[in-house]
Amino acid sequence: DAKTTQPTSMDCAEGRAANLPCNHSTISGNEYVYWYRQIHSQGPQYIIHGLKNNETNEMASLIITEDRKSSTLILPHATLRDTAVYYCIVRSPTNYNQGGKLIFGQGTELSVKP
Amino acid sequence: EAGVTQFPSHSVIEKGQTVTLRCDPISGHDNLYWYRRVMGKEIKFLLHFVKESKQDESGMPNNRFLAERTGGTYSTLKVQPAELEDSGVYFCASAPWTSSYNEQFFGPGTRLTVL
Repeated sequence: DAKTTQPTSMDCAEGRAANLPCNHSTISGNEYVYWYRQIHSQGPQYIIHGLKNNETNEMASLIITEDRKSSTLILPHATLRDTAVYYCIVRSPTNYNQGGKLIFGQGTELSVKP
Repeated sequence: EAGVTQFPSHSVIEKGQTVTLRCDPISGHDNLYWYRRVMGKEIKFLLHFVKESKQDESGMPNNRFLAERTGGTYSTLKVQPAELEDSGVYFCASAPWTSSYNEQFFGPGTRLTVL
């Protein structure tokens, strides 16, 4: 089962920041927080991941609370093309024995509106 | 660089028939994963290859499903015989062999409909 809980759906106005929350209260010390998204009719797409420090890349920012029990994915200037289901995933380090499979939950359906 | 490709994009078969799905990972990626989403459910892990070896088969639903990756390049997932509950979208993903925490690159999926 997924170790994360997310709101089922959210709306965001185009051009505004989209803040997607995720709770992962049972996260272990060596588990990372990953975010993927699935745009309709496409395969999931990696966005960002982090352990305990805040992370930023060209797509988004990831803010992880100090106790690591929750995080927020921030899309700074949402566009209509960001409409998708966003998945927050807690994942153990990949190694040769563990495999690194992704365990998806229900995700948050983000609708960006004009 | 080409991404992960899957063939066919859609398949419609009748219950009891056999279907083979193919996945071509990104060149050089040792890790290959199969996932599926059945109607109304979450995306579920099926299995993981490292090169040609099955590393984790824990998500395979039953023995009607057979995955292979001969030569450690492309992979096939055969469903024989197909049942109605097998309908859904089957995703393949690949990842390079790095020390850890590597992202998985997903293909567009194969939509399987069993009538």
